[in-house]
Amino acid sequence: SAVISQKPSRDICQRGTSLTIQCQVDSQVTMMFWYRQQPGQSLTLIATANQGSEATYESGFVIDKFPISRPNLTFSTLTVSNMSPEDSSIYLCSVGAPTGSGNTIYFGEGSWLTVV
Amino acid sequence: QKEVEQNSGPLSVPEGAIASLNCTYSDRGSQSFFWYRQYSGKSPELIMFIYSNGDKEDGRFTAQLNKASQYVSLLIRDSQPSDSATYLCAVQTGGSYIPTFGRGTSLIVHP
Repeated sequence: SAVISQKPSRDICQRGTSLTIQCQVDSQVTMMFWYRQQPGQSLTLIATANQGSEATYESGFVIDKFPISRPNLTFSTLTVSNMSPEDSSIYLCSVGAPTGSGNTIYFGEGSWLTVV
Repeated sequence: QKEVEQNSGPLSVPEGAIASLNCTYSDRGSQSFFWYRQYSGKSPELIMFIYSNGDKEDGRFTAQLNKASQYVSLLIRDSQPSDSATYLCAVQTGGSYIPTFGRGTSLIVHP
């Protein structure tokens, strides 16, 4: 499976600021996704990062709050804008690899954000 | 609404025992099933996946799938304290290219 690196791994952010998370994959991948995992909760898909076009957002997530870029097949960024304490979460970059009849999701190391 | 249900636990088992983790899902069209392990402070890592009814074994791990009952389980034989983690079940339907995750079951293996 691909090696997925995320930066920053952790950060403490001030309310009202924005932070950009970078995700680098060591090989070209078609499918890249961004997930959020709030404390004690499961993984929630934020959006699919589409190379060369706008990301596809899941219900409850909007581009103004979570702008995503994907300039090529190995790199993506997620920005968490105008942060509030409710945005304190783990943000996970992931890639999908075709496996049998479905796609297996592999995760990066995650970015732990605390908003104060 | 596609739902994946797991008992949050914690499930506590003694070292050397078999740990049994269960997952039910609502969508009968589900085709692919995954188990992930997530250590505290770490991201989820894939343990194994299963597509067909029956058992699939990989080392100390066995995934069991029963599509008629909409039930998938993970057995961990000879449980070790290092197996203590949260185990996430993920289910993917044929109409979606990404899985739906359950909330996970916390497993504690005590010496």
